[in-house]
Amino acid sequence: GAVVSQHPSWVICKSGTSVKIECRSLDFQATTMFWYRQFPKQSLMLMATSNEGSKATYEQGVEKDKFLINHASLTLSTLTVTSAHPEDSSFYICSASETGTYNEQFFGPGTRLTVL
Amino acid sequence: AQKITQTQPGMFVQEKEAVTLDCTYDTSDQSYGLFWYKQPSSGEMIFLIYQGSYDEQNATEGRYSLNFQKARKSANLVISASQLGDSAMYFCAMREGSTGSYIPTFGRGTSLIVHP
Repeated sequence: GAVVSQHPSWVICKSGTSVKIECRSLDFQATTMFWYRQFPKQSLMLMATSNEGSKATYEQGVEKDKFLINHASLTLSTLTVTSAHPEDSSFYICSASETGTYNEQFFGPGTRLTVL
Repeated sequence: AQKITQTQPGMFVQEKEAVTLDCTYDTSDQSYGLFWYKQPSSGEMIFLIYQGSYDEQNATEGRYSLNFQKARKSANLVISASQLGDSAMYFCAMREGSTGSYIPTFGRGTSLIVHP
């Protein structure tokens, strides 16, 4: 199956710093990628839909100035957590799928962010 | 209203026995896709099985089968011959086609523990 990579797999940072997480589709082109946040023992919460070449669509309650999403190419989307605070500590997962299908989403391995 | 409902927060099953994880969904779309994912403690989301709304036969993938009852709007996952490695969180998800963006919706998940 198709592979989606995420980098870094984990990161620890100080409060107030910004952290960038990359999501890449390695062997297919993804017009659309999704960014999720997951708290321990909870479900995935969709944060935003990342569209190549246009602005991301954020879910209600997600601060777009806090979570900057850039989808500059058909294989790369980035999520930047700006001025991170301890409450931003979470597991962030991206996924990608080929456009216009109900088919399988391919998930990245996730990034565990800890803000001290 | 929740679009995906998983009523079992936790399930226990003995090794080699079969187990059914429940999932009901809510949609007014005629075209949609249903998915099951496994998330072990490492965090990655592993695709297990897919059922399209127009598929007449229940989907099967090895030890996994999806009991699709369209009239009841249920898509239960059946794991046969459970193995210790099946212990994980299991998420049911749906993608609807009416918006054209195929945004996925996840249930809250079921924690499955397989004991010897």
